[in-house]
Amino acid sequence: EDQVTQSPEALRLQEGESSSLNCSYTVSGLRGLFWYRQDPGKGPEFLFTLYSAGEEKEKERLKATLTKKESFLHITAPKPEDSATYLCAVQAAGGYNKLIFGAGTRLAVHP
Amino acid sequence: DADVTQTPRNRITKTGKRIMLECSQTKGHDRMYWYRQDPGLGLQLIYYSFDVKDINKGEISDGYSVSRQAQAKFSLSLESAIPNQTALYFCATSARDKSDTQYFGPGTRLTVL
Repeated sequence: EDQVTQSPEALRLQEGESSSLNCSYTVSGLRGLFWYRQDPGKGPEFLFTLYSAGEEKEKERLKATLTKKESFLHITAPKPEDSATYLCAVQAAGGYNKLIFGAGTRLAVHP
Repeated sequence: DADVTQTPRNRITKTGKRIMLECSQTKGHDRMYWYRQDPGLGLQLIYYSFDVKDINKGEISDGYSVSRQAQAKFSLSLESAIPNQTALYFCATSARDKSDTQYFGPGTRLTVL
């Protein structure tokens, strides 16, 4: 069964304290792995797509990496405005474009 | 202006009532989706549509129906609302291309009393 597990469920950081969020997945052939950011009361906002193991993408203080079993979202020197829930989703090869979402990691960055 | 809009943004209703949630997009995408989000759970797919004449059930379609009125409009109906349908509902769209990235609307918070 295709599955996505994110850890930790919640993470509290001090401003400037770098860390990583984990997304572990099992899928019958990976077509793509997606990272989204979600602020309270809002829809998920697209961040990155990764397609193959070894691929990396960066945007400001965020860097996403991918292996055959997991993805990491590295946050370097975070600021309070990075506080949000980060969602990971995988899309399996073949079939329709179903995204399988993890439950998310709630990140709080304190000054 | 937002590319994907949803109406209403908030709705409180009673058990047994019929409810329609609407989604419109100006992104020109062919594909549209309806998801529901519950606290502590990942988003779950209710229905998806690859074009006006192509509508498919997702993993949790029971108790829901949809209508694709035009390329830009996709509506979700709850024929007879029940309390466990209280959730956040999101519409998403994607283009028919390699990336197939889904872009989400702002959501509708639905409460069924």
